[in-house]
Parts: sequence; C-alpha cells; structure tokens
Amino acid sequence: EAQVTQNPRYLITVTGKKLTVTCSQNMNHEYMSWYRQDPGLGLRQIYYSMNVEVTDKGDVPEGYKVSRKEKRNFPLILESPSPNQTSLYFCASSSLAGGQGVQETQYFGPGTRLLVL
Amino acid sequence: AQSVTQLDSHVSVSEGTPVLLRCNYSSSYSPSLFWYVQHPNKGLQLLLKYTSAATLVKGINGFEAEFKKSETSFHLTKPSAHMSDAAEYFCVVSTLERMEYGNKLVFGAGTILRVKS
Repeated sequence: EAQVTQNPRYLITVTGKKLTVTCSQNMNHEYMSWYRQDPGLGLRQIYYSMNVEVTDKGDVPEGYKVSRKEKRNFPLILESPSPNQTSLYFCASSSLAGGQGVQETQYFGPGTRLLVL
Repeated sequence: AQSVTQLDSHVSVSEGTPVLLRCNYSSSYSPSLFWYVQHPNKGLQLLLKYTSAATLVKGINGFEAEFKKSETSFHLTKPSAHMSDAAEYFCVVSTLERMEYGNKLVFGAGTILRVKS
C-alpha cells in the first residue's frame, strides 16, 4: 500500500531535549516536505527536499533541521525544542512530473502531535 | 509573493443544501491550485486540483471548483451536502518560485464545514 508513515504519532518532551520525528514514503517520490499545523494558521512549510541531498527552507525553518540521505526518508530534527514548537506536524511527499519541478499531488502522513513543556 | 485567503473560517449548512467554500489567491506566476480536506484526527486528502487545463475542475465526493483568473478565485462547491462532508478544508496554491527548487505550497488558514441534520 502506498503510504507516508511518521513516527512517533504523539510525543511529549521538555524544553531543550533533542528529538527526531521520522518520515518515510514507499512511493519512490523525489519531493518530500514537512509542515506544521496551528489553529487559524493552516499548514506552514518548514523544510522541503527535491531529492537526495537537496533540501531548502520553507516559510518557518527556525529551530528545525532536516536531512535527506536516502530517497525514502526525511527526518525532522528539533535540536533544542521550545514550547512554541508545540504543534501538529505533517510529512508529505510527491513525484516531480515532467522534470521541470512541477509538483503533483502531495501525499500526507497521519501527523505527529508534539507537546513541548 | 504568493498567498491564499479563505474568506470564511467556519461554514455551516444543512444536509442536502449546497456548499460554497471561498478561496482567493495571489500569485506572481501561473499557479496550480488545490483543495485538500482534513477529517478530524486524520491527515490531509486531495479533493481536486487545477493545473492550467480546464477551468472547471471536478474532484472526489461530488466536489468541484472553478478557476477564475480575472477574480483570482478558486471556490469549492458541492450541490448537496452530506453529513460525512463535515471536515476542515484547505485551499492551496503551488507556484514555481525558483526553477531549480521547484514549487512551494502555500496553504490557506482553513475553513471548517459543519453539516447540520
């Protein structure tokens, strides 16, 4: 079954304790992305990746890191979490059609709800 | 810069009546436009997308949207609401901001649809 998986689904942590949220897709998609969802703000893009070893900042990258060492995985790293990073996080992937960077439909993971105390 | 405005944060309709969710966008380039739906405690699912083909786009579950360039709008409609349509809906614009890095997605703040029996 084609899917995007995220782990963990729920996480409670304390300020400053490094954490990683994993994301994996089995559709051989080139493009992967992380979003955070906050009430009244919709989804905001944190980082995205066009392919292995190619990553770029989205609209709200501060406090986050990513890596893309393998095509299927795109972990999100919070080196020193703070309470303002309490949010619902979504990973997504899509293919790149036509070789010109045009995004196709994004497939979203189930979300990771993070609480930073 | 690109932006999306969903004109209503909440819409309430009775079962069997029409649904209209409004979306206006701003884009410097020819946009691709999407509507995604998020049911409670679920990830996001694509309803429909516009990518410069027909301006009237039909999606899943009886939804459709019309791209109106002159009005910079992409409103979502459905002739008859079902209880199962109750969810949050996001209008999304995808624009080719930097050719070498492909598209970015910009999400609207979301519209919560309530369907009364």
